[in-house]
Amino acid sequence: SQTIHQWPATLVQPVGSPLSLECTVEGTSNPNLYWYRQAAGRGLQLLFYSVGIGQISSEVPQNLSASRPQDRQFILSSKKLLLSDSGFYLCAWSAGTGNSPLHFGNGTRLTVT
Amino acid sequence: ILNVEQSPQSLHVQEGDSTNFTCSFPSSNFYALHWYRWETAKSPEALFVMTLNGDEKKKGRISATLNTKEGYSYLYIKGSQPEDSATYLCALNAGGTSYGKLTFGQGTILTVHP
Repeated sequence: SQTIHQWPATLVQPVGSPLSLECTVEGTSNPNLYWYRQAAGRGLQLLFYSVGIGQISSEVPQNLSASRPQDRQFILSSKKLLLSDSGFYLCAWSAGTGNSPLHFGNGTRLTVT
Repeated sequence: ILNVEQSPQSLHVQEGDSTNFTCSFPSSNFYALHWYRWETAKSPEALFVMTLNGDEKKKGRISATLNTKEGYSYLYIKGSQPEDSATYLCALNAGGTSYGKLTFGQGTILTVHP
């Protein structure tokens, strides 16, 4: 069966510090991978989307970046965090068709102080 | 930017009540409509993926309908239980250049009181 792992679960970082959140998927190959963010009082916003290794689509302008160094690994990064980067970050995968549901990780609660 | 709206924003019902809520989306941009349930301290879990106008899906006491021509979907819960308390999210796959990407609504927060 397929599983998705996301870490860390919580993170408190000062403004200006770097960020690295990691997500890995097991039990499937060539998944679509996603990073979503839920800011306080708002819905899930798509940040990045990847259909394969090295293929990243950025959905919103921001100081975050994403990389996919391996088929089932998706990393969210920042060189310098802003206060507005605080939120709940969710990684997800799907089987790559428009009818496939998303399968989410447990999320990372990021607080930038 | 696609506008996916959910109403109501929150809902309180008594155990045993039946309830429903709405997801509205642009009818001109449609490939698939997803419903997810997001319980506190857990990750969102897929309920349904719907693609055809008039489609109805059912999972236990939860069912959903889809009208792609007028751009809405209803989620129904029959005989609500406290364990149904969660945020219910709908998400639109608009297809085309947005194929595979989901735009989420803000969610409906359901609280079922015992």
